[in-house]
Amino acid sequence: GEDVEQSLFLSVREGDSSVINCTYTDSSSTYLYWYKQEPGAGLQLLTYIFSNMDMKQDQRLTVLLNKKDKHLSLCIADTQTGDSAIYFCAENGGYNKLIFGAGTRLAVHP
Amino acid sequence: NAGVTQTPKFQVLKTGQSMTLQCAQDMNHNSMYWYRQDPGMGLRLIYYSASEGTTDKGEVPNGYNVSRLNKREFSLRLESAAPSQTSVYFCASSIPGQQETQYFGPGTRLLVL
Repeated sequence: GEDVEQSLFLSVREGDSSVINCTYTDSSSTYLYWYKQEPGAGLQLLTYIFSNMDMKQDQRLTVLLNKKDKHLSLCIADTQTGDSAIYFCAENGGYNKLIFGAGTRLAVHP
Repeated sequence: NAGVTQTPKFQVLKTGQSMTLQCAQDMNHNSMYWYRQDPGMGLRLIYYSASEGTTDKGEVPNGYNVSRLNKREFSLRLESAAPSQTSVYFCASSIPGQQETQYFGPGTRLLVL
């Protein structure tokens, strides 16, 4: 079945780069997504990548897609304390359904 | 635009009580969804509605019912709450084709004692 896996926790120093990794199983996914959840809030779409791309850059965010290995990464440059949140990877499971990973909690310390 | 709104924000129930979680969106989206979020498990789809008048089961539908009242509103009902339904519930909506992006509400925190 479909499954999305990500590591649960990442700690980085302010100003460093963060790399959050994700693996997925459904090779037919059209889009892959990164959502951000701040404490006590709902999920907010950060960025997405179409499956025929291998990289997408959006300001401090870079998404890398290795379709052969079904591996997705979110890179945050110059990580700030405001980036502290839970980051969810998701794949399109067909019929507009999203399959989410368990989320990676990013902690940014001075 | 308010986006996706949910009520209530918090609720405490006793085992066996019933309640309805309300969700509304003002973005004229066709599709709406209910998820639950549990620690270490990400979000799991309970039910979804591809369009007004249709509903379908997701990954974890047992113990829940839904109603797509109109295009704006999609409610989730717990007929007889159980402690295993203690969770945070999120409603979302989307338009097919726009990268199938889903927009989420702020969530309802439910505690069943």
